[in-house]
Amino acid sequence: EAGVAQSPRYKIIEKRQSVAFWCNPISGHATLYWYQQILGQGPKLLIQFQNNGVVDDSQLPKDRFSAERLKGVDSTLKIQPAKLEDSAVYLCASSLARGPYEQYFGPGTRLTVT
Amino acid sequence: AQKVTQAQTEISVVEKEDVTLDCVYETRDTTYYLFWYKQPPSGELVFLIRRNSFDEQNEISGRYSWNFQKSTSSFNFTITASQVVDSAVYFCALSEAVGNTGKLIFGQGTTLQVKP
Repeated sequence: EAGVAQSPRYKIIEKRQSVAFWCNPISGHATLYWYQQILGQGPKLLIQFQNNGVVDDSQLPKDRFSAERLKGVDSTLKIQPAKLEDSAVYLCASSLARGPYEQYFGPGTRLTVT
Repeated sequence: AQKVTQAQTEISVVEKEDVTLDCVYETRDTTYYLFWYKQPPSGELVFLIRRNSFDEQNEISGRYSWNFQKSTSSFNFTITASQVVDSAVYFCALSEAVGNTGKLIFGQGTTLQVKP
């Protein structure tokens, strides 16, 4: 069974530029999560989807971050414009259903904003 | 408010030593779930265990064991006879049942280095 796929693995941009990350969850997984992991910290949830609907985006900085999961499968997270403090690893995770189930994580995208 | 605290930032042991990683949590919910994840250098978080708040039985899986104590709000993780491959960052996480979102609140992580 293929795991959670993410691309790109690494991205370096200048502040005020835009960037997009892509995630393809495990086939059949209805719930998809995007986490931000700043160096030396635990992951923090940015947004959660159930199929193509948003469950929780309370910690997403909506003035610059956006995310979509149009067909309920893969998802894109965008930052526009990026700030220095957005430098982090962006992790995508999926689970079979909504609730306290095991989440399967992708390898992450390491973003450096200069 | 929900919170997970892993007070140990880094631990270094020599191979074959036993090591315990501490986790203390805060929640007002009576129903919640606790997790441990391992993050090796490759970056992917790997699920290790999930416990619900009504099951205080300790669990053992090979060299890994977990001690859940509601009285002290702790969910500690012990590796027996550590190996170099255990070197990683370990995260404890909390998920509350309210809203049934599955959202994980992570601790800051403990970096474990096992030296040969």
